[in-house]
Amino acid sequence: GAGVSQSPRYKVAKRGQDVALRCDPISGHVSLFWYQQALGQGPEFLTYFQNEAQLDKSGLPSDRFFAERPEGSVSTLKIQRTQQEDSAVYLCASSRSPPGERPGELFFGEGSRLTVL
Amino acid sequence: DAKTTQPTSMDCAEGRAANLPCNHSTISGNEYVYWYRQIHSQGPQYIIHGLKNNETNEMASLIITEDRKSSTLILPHATLRDTAVYYCIVRVRNSGYALNFGKGTSLLVTP
Repeated sequence: GAGVSQSPRYKVAKRGQDVALRCDPISGHVSLFWYQQALGQGPEFLTYFQNEAQLDKSGLPSDRFFAERPEGSVSTLKIQRTQQEDSAVYLCASSRSPPGERPGELFFGEGSRLTVL
Repeated sequence: DAKTTQPTSMDCAEGRAANLPCNHSTISGNEYVYWYRQIHSQGPQYIIHGLKNNETNEMASLIITEDRKSSTLILPHATLRDTAVYYCIVRVRNSGYALNFGKGTSLLVTP
């Protein structure tokens, strides 16, 4: 596709349930980011992949959060034993080159809205 | 990364220029200024970035003061579709991977 695609767009989970959120970045983009956006707040960084390597996971809030990008393309963000405070929009972004090579733009998907009941 | 300060909200009449300010008084010499916007229910969208010179593209102009302690994003002819939250972000080119969005400025363009 032409842009970053995320699925599902909406997910309702019961507390304690595991969820998986998928991101299809723009084809050929080296860098992939996950952000979390709570209601009324700006996006907050979770983790970064360069190809299949997870180079930064400093923003993951707990060990219940896990992300992977095994073949350097599609990425999955998994949240285990969901809690109400996990309710947020999860945004995926990709860019053509690694951050250090040029101050390039990020292309964001529309996000996956997770509601934990 | 340097901290930025933006007004919480602004209004602009349709067809007029929207001037969105951003203070970044602690900016260092190798930090870039980026602007993104987020329309309701969408992901953020890149607008423009600059280091020290003024920049213009098809979406907006970025004016950076000579001392680089503040900047202004200019939408020359605002439309209703420009209603969005605008984020000013300052970061070092090779500083890592996270963009700190902050809370941004909520711009309302009115008919």
